[in-house]
This record gives sequence, structure tokens and C-alpha cells, in this order.
Amino acid sequence: AQSVTQLDSQVPVFEEAPVELRCNYSSSVSVYLFWYVQYPNQGLQLLLKYLSGSTLVKGINGFEAEFNKSQTSFHLRKPSVHISDTAEYFCAVRSNTGKLIFGQGTTLQVKP
Amino acid sequence: GAGVSQTPSNKVTEKGKYVELRCDPISGHTALYWYRQSLGQGPEFLIYFQGTGAADDSGLPNDRFFAVRPEGSVSTLKIQRTERGDSAVYLCASSEGLLYNEQFFGPGTRLTVL
Repeated sequence: AQSVTQLDSQVPVFEEAPVELRCNYSSSVSVYLFWYVQYPNQGLQLLLKYLSGSTLVKGINGFEAEFNKSQTSFHLRKPSVHISDTAEYFCAVRSNTGKLIFGQGTTLQVKP
Repeated sequence: GAGVSQTPSNKVTEKGKYVELRCDPISGHTALYWYRQSLGQGPEFLIYFQGTGAADDSGLPNDRFFAVRPEGSVSTLKIQRTERGDSAVYLCASSEGLLYNEQFFGPGTRLTVL
């Protein structure tokens, strides 16, 4: 069975500092990985996705993630965060039937 | 263009009542998904439609939950004999149907069962 583990429930960081949100997955089939962001009182928005090819994936708002097959990880990074990046971030793996399996989420709290 | 819309945005009901939650997908999207997000948790899959048929309903928790998509567009999630544990945000997503296409999410319906 496929599963996703987000290792940190909350990540506090100061504005303009770098951040990494960790995600590990378990899958016995081809891996399609996603990061979504959920701003307060809004729907989920896709940040980036890994389907195949280059293991370094660039997304919107300056975020990027690296697929590491040997470590079964897909960590999300940003070199310099803004107050506006404060949100809930979800890592997900797509099953071979199309459904997304999400992690528990990580709350990114950017402080001035 | 218009995104995925869900109505109502909030629904408060009493234990034992019946509720219907509606999802309008992006026009032309053949795949439609329902997820449930409990407080402090990630979304959990409920059911997936490809066209009018339910391609995967393995996430429905029990037979009180049912969903339809009669014309391959709008979908309705129906919950009978609601229980307090059904309180959650119900999310709908649509995609162009191919497995690797992005799922676009609606804002959700917050269901509260008193």
C-alpha cells in the first residue's frame, strides 16, 4: 500500500530564511509525487509535481523539491521565505487508480 | 475560467439528518474526486468518477455515504443518518482524466454535525 509521511507537523521560520519541509513516501508502483499548499480558508493549490525525468522539480512561488528514490523522499525547499508563504503544505503520492494519498500536512509559520 | 465550485460552503445539520453536498467541476474535466479533510489531517480519498461511473469508491467509509454524477459533470455526495464523526471539510477535485494530469480542488464544504 502507498503512504506518505510528513515528518514535521509545524515548522516556524523567520522571514527571508531558507526552509525545508520533509516528506517520505512508501510505494511499490511507479511514483508520482505532488506538493500542495492550502492558504487559510482556501482550497488546495498545486505547488509542483514529479512524474518522471529530472529529480529536481521547480514549482510556483520559488519552491522546489528533489525526488530521492533511494531515500524514498520528496522534500520541499525554498531558499528565502516570505510572510505570505505562511500556510499548510501537503505532500501526496498518486496511486495507480488516480487518487491522491496525502500526508498529515506541515504548517509553515513565517515570522517577521 | 471558472474553477471547481462547491455548494454550500458551510452546512450545519443535526445528528441523524440527511445532507447533500454539490460539486461543479471545471468544464470539460472528465475525472472528479471527492476527499474528506478532518481537522488537523490531510485530505482522505472517498470516491473517484470517470465520466458518469464510479471508477473507485474504495474510500467511502460505510453505506451511509453515496455519490452520483448522472450526466458526467456535476456530482452530489450524499450522507444519510449523519453522525458527529462525519464533521469535516469535504473537498472536490477535477482533472482532465489522464492519470498524470493535475487535480484542481474546490474550496470545500465544511460540514458540522451537531
